[in-house]
Amino acid sequence: DARVTQTPRHKVTEMGQEVTMRCQPILGHNTVFWYRQTMMQGLELLAYFRNRAPLDDSGMPKDRFSAEMPDATLATLKIQPSEPRDSAVYFCASGLQGVVSYEQYFGPGTRLTVT
Amino acid sequence: QKEVEQDPGPLSVPEGAIVSLNCTYSNSAFQYFMWYRQYSRKGPELLMYTYSSGNKEDGRFTAQVDKSSKYISLFIRDSQPSDSATYLCAIPNAGNNRKLIWGLGTSLAVNP
Repeated sequence: DARVTQTPRHKVTEMGQEVTMRCQPILGHNTVFWYRQTMMQGLELLAYFRNRAPLDDSGMPKDRFSAEMPDATLATLKIQPSEPRDSAVYFCASGLQGVVSYEQYFGPGTRLTVT
Repeated sequence: QKEVEQDPGPLSVPEGAIVSLNCTYSNSAFQYFMWYRQYSRKGPELLMYTYSSGNKEDGRFTAQVDKSSKYISLFIRDSQPSDSATYLCAIPNAGNNRKLIWGLGTSLAVNP
C-alpha cells in the first residue's frame, strides 16, 4: 500500500527552538511538495522539488525555513528559530508528473504548535 | 482577486440531499480542474479531475466545468454522513511549473 509518510505527526515546541519535519514520498514519484495549512490561508505551497532538485521555494520565509531532499526517499523541512505564527499543519505531497499529470498524493501531516 | 475562489461554508445538509460545491477562477488559460476531499485531521486526497469543459461522473459524484463562466462544480447525489469532509478545488498553474492553485475548501456536514 504505497503512501506518503510524515514524521512526527505532532510536535509541540517552544518559540526559538529548531523543528525538523520529515517526509518519505511514494517510491518512484519524482516530485515532492511541502505545504502549510491554516484555517485563514488554506493550503500554501512552501517548496517544490522535482527529481530532488529544488524548483520553487518562493512561498517559504527564507530567513527561518529550509527544505532539502538528501535522497529520493527523504525530504526535510526545517524551521529555525520557530515562532508562534508557524503553528499550522504541514503536509508533504508527492507525485509522478509527466506530460499531463498533476496529481499529488498527500501524507497525514505534521501538526506543529509553537508556544 | 484570488486566482481561485471558494466559499468556505460551512455547509450542512440532511442525509440523501444533493450537494453542490463550487469554485470560480480568473485565468481563462486554465484547462485542468481537480477536486480533493479532506477528512478531519487527514491529508487531502484526489477525488476527481476533469479536463477542459463538460461533465465527468464517478458514482455519486459529478464534476462539471463551465469555461465560459470560469466556474467549476462538484455535485454529490444521495449524500451520506461519510461524505462529511472539506472539499477543495485545485487548478494547475497555466505554465510549466506544475504547481496547483488551491481554493480555501468548503466544509460539508451531512447529518443522519
